[in-house]
Amino acid sequence: SQQGEEDPQALSIQEGENATMNCSYKTSINNLQWYRQNSGRGLVHLILIRSNEREKHSGRLRVTLDTSKKSSSLLITASRAADTASYFCATRPLGETSGSRLTFGEGTQLTVNP
Amino acid sequence: GAGVSQSPSNKVTEKGKDVELRCDPISGHTALYWYRQSLGQGLEFLIYFQGNSAPDKSGLPSDRFSAERTGGSVSTLTIQRTQQEDSAVYLCASSLVQGIGSPLHFGNGTRLTVT
Repeated sequence: SQQGEEDPQALSIQEGENATMNCSYKTSINNLQWYRQNSGRGLVHLILIRSNEREKHSGRLRVTLDTSKKSSSLLITASRAADTASYFCATRPLGETSGSRLTFGEGTQLTVNP
Repeated sequence: GAGVSQSPSNKVTEKGKDVELRCDPISGHTALYWYRQSLGQGLEFLIYFQGNSAPDKSGLPSDRFSAERTGGSVSTLTIQRTQQEDSAVYLCASSLVQGIGSPLHFGNGTRLTVT
């Protein structure tokens, strides 16, 4: 099964609203990363949060990490139509080397309506 | 600068034929990954290269799948005797291995359709 599981599977909001996506994982991790995928394109790295961090910000993105619950959330504030995409969390288990596999969840499809 | 380049972008093939998918990673990136993504699904790990060697090929679904990387750069994923269930988008990614947090840089994928 996937190491990371996103929730909800799909989210539809109006422009200007905030969008929150959640990710749960099973094993202890070094870090957790969030990626975005526009339709028909590859994934683009958004943000990384390390296991010793609890919150991280980048522009309109805010990521939290709760290692005790093995979960993370991605908040996009003041959403725009251009934020419409699929969002994936990805983890690399603790003890893995930096170049080893990154395991992705199933993704959340976000639709921002103008 | 140039990103990860994959070719072809689309490939339609008949069941039973062999196909080769190519990936040109970002120059200087030592790690290279192949993933498969079925329609509306997440990413399924196939294989990972460090330089020219593949420390983890555990995700290859069958012995019809193979991959190689030469010169620490270009990689080719080969699928022999294609089956309809092989239809998917095949994504390649590379990363500059510097510490635990190196992000992956993805190409736009090859959409494979087996008829």
